Amino acid sequence: GAGVSQSPSNKVTEKGKDVELRCDPISGHTALYWYRQSLGQGLEFLIYFQGNSAPDKSGLPSDRFSAERTGGSVSTLTIQRTQQEDSAVYLCASSPHSGGSYEQYFGPGTRLTVT
Amino acid sequence: EDKVVQSPLSLVVHEGDTVTLNCSYEVTNFRSLLWYKQEKKAPTFLFMLTSSGIEKKSGRLSSILDKKELFSILNITATQTGDSAIYLCVFALGGSYIPTFGRGTSLIVHP
Repeated sequence: GAGVSQSPSNKVTEKGKDVELRCDPISGHTALYWYRQSLGQGLEFLIYFQGNSAPDKSGLPSDRFSAERTGGSVSTLTIQRTQQEDSAVYLCASSPHSGGSYEQYFGPGTRLTVT
Repeated sequence: EDKVVQSPLSLVVHEGDTVTLNCSYEVTNFRSLLWYKQEKKAPTFLFMLTSSGIEKKSGRLSSILDKKELFSILNITATQTGDSAIYLCVFALGGSYIPTFGRGTSLIVHP
């Protein structure tokens, strides 16, 4: 079946502009995660959605970052007033279970470059 | 504070070699340990381990968990160039849906 998809695959933007990154999780997966990975670094957790519960935003690095998940499916990560340090690969992952099984299925990522 | 150490940090081998990647940990409220392979961008799931001493196997890859000694190993036999990737050890902890990632082991397999 279809995996997790993300768009765009690459995004180049000027410093100060807003960007929106999209994630389509696997159908039926209730949990959705956003991560970012800077060059040569490990995965950094950003935000977690589970069903209709309030998201866990504890990983968002600043109030310029926000995310929403509509209808328990598609999610959008928005970065306002982008800075050069926001340049990274943004990965989305979905998981079929809220507990018990933590296997996550990752999308191909969006490479964001802020110039 | 939870601690995950993967070793070695990097490894270069030739095709056909066997490699063993290590993940040691000190975490509270352990639930499960997962191994992922990351090529280019997206990590792909390999194994989930919850019980000590039970080997998980998939083709040339296998993994086992030792909950007493607090480590897991990932073995790859008869390595191929396509095995070149970063291998991530990830923890799921009780009471949290946010996984804890190790820094990874970078494996390069030369022809």
